[in-house]
Amino acid sequence: AQKVTQAQTEISVVEKEDVTLDCVYETRDTTYYLFWYKQPPSGELVFLIRRNSFDEQNEISGRYSWNFQKSTSSFNFTITASQVVDSAVYFCALSEAPGGGADGLTFGKGTHLIIQP
Amino acid sequence: GAVVSQHPSRVICKSGTSVKIECRSLDFQATTMFWYRQFPKQSLMLMATSNEGSKATYEQGVEKDKFLINHASLTLSTLTVTSAHPEDSSFYICSARGRGLRQPQHFGDGTRLSIL
Repeated sequence: AQKVTQAQTEISVVEKEDVTLDCVYETRDTTYYLFWYKQPPSGELVFLIRRNSFDEQNEISGRYSWNFQKSTSSFNFTITASQVVDSAVYFCALSEAPGGGADGLTFGKGTHLIIQP
Repeated sequence: GAVVSQHPSRVICKSGTSVKIECRSLDFQATTMFWYRQFPKQSLMLMATSNEGSKATYEQGVEKDKFLINHASLTLSTLTVTSAHPEDSSFYICSARGRGLRQPQHFGDGTRLSIL
């Protein structure tokens, strides 16, 4: 069975601070895919990144960066120089296939990120 | 990019009524659609998976007679909440995927259902 744990329920930082959202996963699959989504107050899911289990290179996209470590089964997400617009709930998700496999995505419980001005 | 349209975005209705939510893939053929439910401040939980032309597969604990899913075409899936009650109030999100497990999954914007 797959499981995603986001231990941080809520994080509050002041604007311009860096913040890291943790994600730890469990799976028996040797091939799997990890995702991060942003859910603003309006509710829609915004896709941020997908990473497959064979690619452990860290990725940077603007102020966003991701650290994938298979040894610790973690896929952490860092926002550098946070902004108020980053305030949202962030979900980490896992699947055995790029498109969610046969059983959809397994989501973590989400981390509510609050960026204070 | 691929777009999934979900309608309505918000619905408020009385207890006992049935509510239909539509999920459409606008520019690709969605052979598989997923329906998720999200209670306030909770995670998204998969309710069911539907493949075009076949019956939906429901997750454990989801009543198939209460949550009717119809995936009649390659661009449309509907979720009908029958005889809705206040405990069915939730945020429902669909996602769609083209043919093949390697295709990415695209999410709709969700439907906020409130049962009075």
